[in-house]
Amino acid sequence: AQSVTQLGSHVSVSEGALVLLRCNYSSSVPPYLFWYVQYPNQGLQLLLKYTSAATLVKGINGFEAEFKKSETSFHLTKPSAHMSDAAEYFCAVSKMDSSYKLIFGSGTRLLVRP
Amino acid sequence: DARVTQTPRDKVTEMGQEVTMRCQPILGHNTVFWYRQTMMQGLELLAYFRNRAPLDDSGMPKDRFSAEMPDATLATLKIQPSEPRDSAVYFCASGSLDAEQFFGPGTRLTVL
Repeated sequence: AQSVTQLGSHVSVSEGALVLLRCNYSSSVPPYLFWYVQYPNQGLQLLLKYTSAATLVKGINGFEAEFKKSETSFHLTKPSAHMSDAAEYFCAVSKMDSSYKLIFGSGTRLLVRP
Repeated sequence: DARVTQTPRDKVTEMGQEVTMRCQPILGHNTVFWYRQTMMQGLELLAYFRNRAPLDDSGMPKDRFSAEMPDATLATLKIQPSEPRDSAVYFCASGSLDAEQFFGPGTRLTVL
């Protein structure tokens, strides 16, 4: 069965610093992987997705993630944090059946210090 | 700009009352999901539909929750009777290809 683990429920960085949010997955077959962002009092918004094409995926707002099969990881990065990046970030893996269900990680809250 | 819409955005009700939440999926999307988000449990999948047919509602408390899609433009989630432990944010999401899901803004439910 697929699962997702996000390491660190809270991550704090200074404005301008590198953002690194960790996600590890387990799947018996190559999965589809997603990162979503949730701003306060809003729904989840797709940042980027991996669907078995290029392993380095670029998303919105300067974020990118790299699919590493050998490490079963899909970490999210951004070179320079902005105050507006403060939000909760969810990694998700798609069940590789016809259901299109997503299995979400528990989320990582990103705090950006001025 | 196609979006998933949900109504109401906020609902405060008293224990025992019926609550109905509505969702309009993105036109052309054939899969609709209902989620519940709480601080303690995070995001939980309650139910999902494909082509308006319910495929899985194993995440829902069967005795009080029901989900339907009367037509392709409307999905509903009903709680009857509501209880304080149902207080949460309820999200609807729709999708079609590549398993990508588009989320609505949510309904914040408070049951007193």
